[in-house]
Amino acid sequence: DGGITQSPKYLFRKEGQNVTLSCEQNLNHDAMYWYRQDPGQGLRLIYYSQIVNDFQKGDIAEGYSVSREKKESFPLTVTSAQKNPTAFYLCASSLLPGQRMNTEAFFGQGTRLTVV
Amino acid sequence: SQKIEQNSEALNIQEGKTATLTCNYTNYSPAYLQWYRQDPGRGPVFLLLIRENEKEKRKERLKVTFDTTLKQSLFHITASQPADSATYLCALPDSGGGADGLTFGKGTHLIIQP
Repeated sequence: DGGITQSPKYLFRKEGQNVTLSCEQNLNHDAMYWYRQDPGQGLRLIYYSQIVNDFQKGDIAEGYSVSREKKESFPLTVTSAQKNPTAFYLCASSLLPGQRMNTEAFFGQGTRLTVV
Repeated sequence: SQKIEQNSEALNIQEGKTATLTCNYTNYSPAYLQWYRQDPGRGPVFLLLIRENEKEKRKERLKVTFDTTLKQSLFHITASQPADSATYLCALPDSGGGADGLTFGKGTHLIIQP
C-alpha cells in the first residue's frame, strides 16, 4: 500500500538530548514537509523540501534540522536548542504544483514527542 | 503569509442536521483552498479541494463553497452522523502554488450528537 509512515508514534526525550523523527513515503512525491501541532494551535511549518539534497526553513525552524538524502526519506532532528519541543509532529508529502495542479498533502500518523 | 480564521469554539450539531463550518482568510487570494479532517492523535486526511474559479464543489454528503470576494469558504456536511465528529481544518497554499507548504487554520471541532 502506498503511504507515508512516521516513527516512532511516541517518543520521550530527556532535556539536552537530540532526537530524530523518521518520515518515509512510497508515493513518489517530490515535496515533503514537517509540521508541528500544539493543543489549540494550527499546524505550523518547520521545514520543507521540494527535491533531494535541498530544503528550506519554514515558519518555526529554530532548534530543528532536517536532511533529504533520498526522495523517500525526510528525517527531522529536534535539537537541544529547541526550547519547547513537547508537541505533536506531522510529516506530509505531495506532488509539486508543476506535476499536478493544486495537489493535496498526504500526512503520516504523527509522532508525539514529550520531554521528560 | 496567509492568515486563516476558523470557528475556534466547538460546534455542536444534532444528528441528521447540516453542519456548516467557516474559513476566512485575510491576505492574498489563493489559487485553491483545501479542507482536511483530523481525528484525535492522528494526521489530517484530505477531503476536498476547490479552485478559485469554482463556486462550489461536492463529494457525497460534503459541499464546499469559495467566495473570493468575501475571502471565505464554507464547508457543509449534510445529514450529519456521529461518525462525522472530528476537527476540520482549512488550508491554503502559502505562495499561491503550494510547493512551499500549506498554511492551516486552527480547525473547528465538530460534535454530532445522536
